[in-house]
Amino acid sequence: GAGVSQTPSNKVTEKGKYVELRCDPISGHTALYWYRQSLGQGPEFLIYFQGTGAADDSGLPNDRFFAVRPEGSVSTLKIQRTERGDSAVYLCASSLMGEQFFGPGTRLTVL
Amino acid sequence: QQQVKQSPQSLIVQKGGISIINCAYENTAFDYFPWYQQFPGKGPALLIAIRPDVSEKKEGRFTISFNKSAKQFSLHIMDSQPGDSATYFCAASRSGGSNYKLTFGKGTLLTVNP
Repeated sequence: GAGVSQTPSNKVTEKGKYVELRCDPISGHTALYWYRQSLGQGPEFLIYFQGTGAADDSGLPNDRFFAVRPEGSVSTLKIQRTERGDSAVYLCASSLMGEQFFGPGTRLTVL
Repeated sequence: QQQVKQSPQSLIVQKGGISIINCAYENTAFDYFPWYQQFPGKGPALLIAIRPDVSEKKEGRFTISFNKSAKQFSLHIMDSQPGDSATYFCAASRSGGSNYKLTFGKGTLLTVNP
């Protein structure tokens, strides 16, 4: 079956611009997670959705980051006023009973 | 505060050898410890996981050893193959409720020479 998909696979933007990153989870998975992976590091938790609601957004670094999951399936991570330090791979994972299945990630480069 | 410490940062092993990667955690509330394998350009994929009620779990060539008192766990890859060359991450989470957010180590780049 289809796994977690993320679009775009690569995004290059300029400092100060707004970007949206999309995650399509595995069908039927109620839990969805966003992580950020900087070069040479492990993924770092950003936000967790259970259904449509953000149940834990404690990992969002600041208020420039926001995520939604309006229908309990697809999720969008939104970053306002991007900074060079936001450059990283943004990973999405979905889960039904604990085990998380990761997508391939979106590589964001802020010039 | 780095809650999960992983070592070594990189590891080179000959084909057929044993690869050993170690992790230590600080938060005693953690009760789920997975290992992930990541190839370049791909997302992490679950390899094997353990809960603290057992001291060892084996799946094929992969074994997790868990020491609750020392707050340490390790991954052993037996008969390492060139196809095992990847980055390996240990992780930990609390399983209370439905939020299994993972705290990852920094990763170990494993190279298995033919």
